[in-house]
Amino acid sequence: NAGVTQTPKFRILKIGQSMTLQCTQDMNHNYMYWYRQDPGMGLKLIYYSVGAGITDKGEVPNGYNVSRSTTEDFPLRLELAAPSQTSVYFCATLGAGGEFGDYGYTFGSGTRLTVV
Amino acid sequence: AQKITQTQPGMFVQEKEAVTLDCTYDTSDPSYGLFWYKQPSSGEMIFLIYQGSYDQQNATEGRYSLNFQKARKSANLVISASQLGDSAMYFCAMREGNSGYSTLTFGKGTMLLVSP
Repeated sequence: NAGVTQTPKFRILKIGQSMTLQCTQDMNHNYMYWYRQDPGMGLKLIYYSVGAGITDKGEVPNGYNVSRSTTEDFPLRLELAAPSQTSVYFCATLGAGGEFGDYGYTFGSGTRLTVV
Repeated sequence: AQKITQTQPGMFVQEKEAVTLDCTYDTSDPSYGLFWYKQPSSGEMIFLIYQGSYDQQNATEGRYSLNFQKARKSANLVISASQLGDSAMYFCAMREGNSGYSTLTFGKGTMLLVSP
């Protein structure tokens, strides 16, 4: 099982550019989340989705957009990148039963984004 | 008010000694879950231990135990017999409620360094 796959792993953007961070899961989990982690800090929730077609804002949604057209994919879109968006981005999923041993939460390996 | 507070930015411990990492939380929801994650320098989020608000006993997972004091709203992580590989950032997190709409809120983390 691949679990949660995030691409790319690293990216450097110029101010004002746009990009999409990809998150794909093969566990058929309904719930998916995007977090950002600034240097030396904990994770903060950007957006989440409770199923295909349903998304909602988290704590720090400004400057980002999401869509959820399928159960598997939950891309995060950055429009007009700013230096304040330099961060590590984690995608996570939640499924019932906790079969992955963490009471359902499975994290991707992260995307390290630098905006210059 | 912060929902998760980790007051120790950094901790030092010698190999084979026990160490306690502090975490206090704030919620009015009677149903919640407390998590500890380890983040090594490679960046991935590794689940360590979980405590539900209705659990009567403190959670244990190998060398990890969670000292859950509900009245004090504290959920300290105890690592027994520290190993060099325990050097990492440790995050306490809370989920209020018990559904996919219940998102994780993270503390700022504690950096643990284990010396020989």
